[in-house]
Amino acid sequence: EVVLTQSPATLSVSPGDGASLSCRASQSVLGRLAWYQQKPGQAPRLLIYDISIRATGIPARFSASGFGTDFTLTISSLQSEDFGVYYCQQYNDWVPWTFGQGTKVEIK
Amino acid sequence: EVQLVESGGGLVKSGGSLRLSCAASGFTFSSYSMNWVRQAPGKGLEWVSSITSTSSYKYYADSVRGRFTISRDNAKRSLYLQMSSLRVDDSAVYYCAKTGGLEGSGDNYFDSWGQGTLVTVSS
Repeated sequence: EVVLTQSPATLSVSPGDGASLSCRASQSVLGRLAWYQQKPGQAPRLLIYDISIRATGIPARFSASGFGTDFTLTISSLQSEDFGVYYCQQYNDWVPWTFGQGTKVEIK
Repeated sequence: EVQLVESGGGLVKSGGSLRLSCAASGFTFSSYSMNWVRQAPGKGLEWVSSITSTSSYKYYADSVRGRFTISRDNAKRSLYLQMSSLRVDDSAVYYCAKTGGLEGSGDNYFDSWGQGTLVTVSS
């Protein structure tokens, strides 16, 4: 099973600032990594798949990069609606599909 | 617009059973694998089970294998999760999620999610 480790656990950011979130895999997942955003009381929402492809309707301030075992989600100029918990998920290894433990992005 | 609406959650005693349902609309249900993902209170996301479009293959997390059964009815555009021998640590919000890519593509991310249904297992 591929273990995904996200860091930091919590990121305090001022509106308008940028943020970088990390996801590290215990073994290579090649390019099969996705990112989700979850706000309190809501279902997760797909942001990014295949490392760097934005899902439908996701603004360009969300970008992502990486390959193999190290991945980064970058949010430029955070807006108030961007605060929440972000999860990475790998789908290279056959089941189980696994998620990271999440990074909470909070208002500084 | 893709819509996934879960139902069937509730309070059940340890050892009991529950059947979750997910009604799908807004896409060709019969063409996609479907999934259940759960989230215990205050915790992260955990993949639970997946089923291919024609029900040929079913996959389970180790934590639920032998106790949970996933199924689907393409004519009714519905996904199900039969849960038995429930344990306290099965308590969670259960989400129905659509696989993002077509079968065989390997694109097993989840591009649409329902609002979730809460399952609480008491001791």
